[in-house]
Amino acid sequence: AQSVTQLGSHVSVSEGALVLLRCNYSSSVPPYLFWYVQYPNQGLQLLLKYTSAATLVKGINGFEAEFKKSETSFHLTKPSAHMSDAAEYFCAPAGNTDKLIFGTGTRLQVFP
Amino acid sequence: DTGVSQNPRHKITKRGQNVTFRCDPISEHNRLYWYRQTLGQGPEFLTYFQNEAQLEKSRLLSDRFSAERPKGSFSTLEIQRTEQGDSAMYLCASSFGRSTGELFFGEGSRLTVL
Repeated sequence: AQSVTQLGSHVSVSEGALVLLRCNYSSSVPPYLFWYVQYPNQGLQLLLKYTSAATLVKGINGFEAEFKKSETSFHLTKPSAHMSDAAEYFCAPAGNTDKLIFGTGTRLQVFP
Repeated sequence: DTGVSQNPRHKITKRGQNVTFRCDPISEHNRLYWYRQTLGQGPEFLTYFQNEAQLEKSRLLSDRFSAERPKGSFSTLEIQRTEQGDSAMYLCASSFGRSTGELFFGEGSRLTVL
């Protein structure tokens, strides 16, 4: 079964600093890999998805993620953090049924 | 707004009572999913429907839980004889079912069992 590991349950950065949120998937390559974001008191929103068409995936709000098969990783990055990026971020693989298996999440805090 | 709608948004109940949550998916979506999320954890898959057929149920879905999607449109999730451990956010999501992997989530129904 597909699974992911998100290293670091909490990440804190200063506004303007690089954001790096880590995700490693299980050894078998899933058909799809996703990053979802959950803002306080809101539903989960799709940030970006990997579908094997390109290893570098660009998402909304300046986020991107690079799929690295050799490292079984799909880390999420943003060059410059903004206060509005404070949220919980989830990495999730999906198979052909669209069922997502979420990681435990990483809470991003952004300090002024 | 044509997003996924969940009701009620908050439910407080006493242990032993039954509760029911409703989810209205995006109208043209034929797949509907239920997840449960507890504090500090990622959403856990409970079950999913394609049209009115319930195709998969997680082992997390005990006999006290039942989900239906009678006409392939809205869905209900009922919890019987609630326990304090059932306190969580119950999330509903829907998708086109074209294996794109993108789910659209509602804002969730928060259950508190006293």
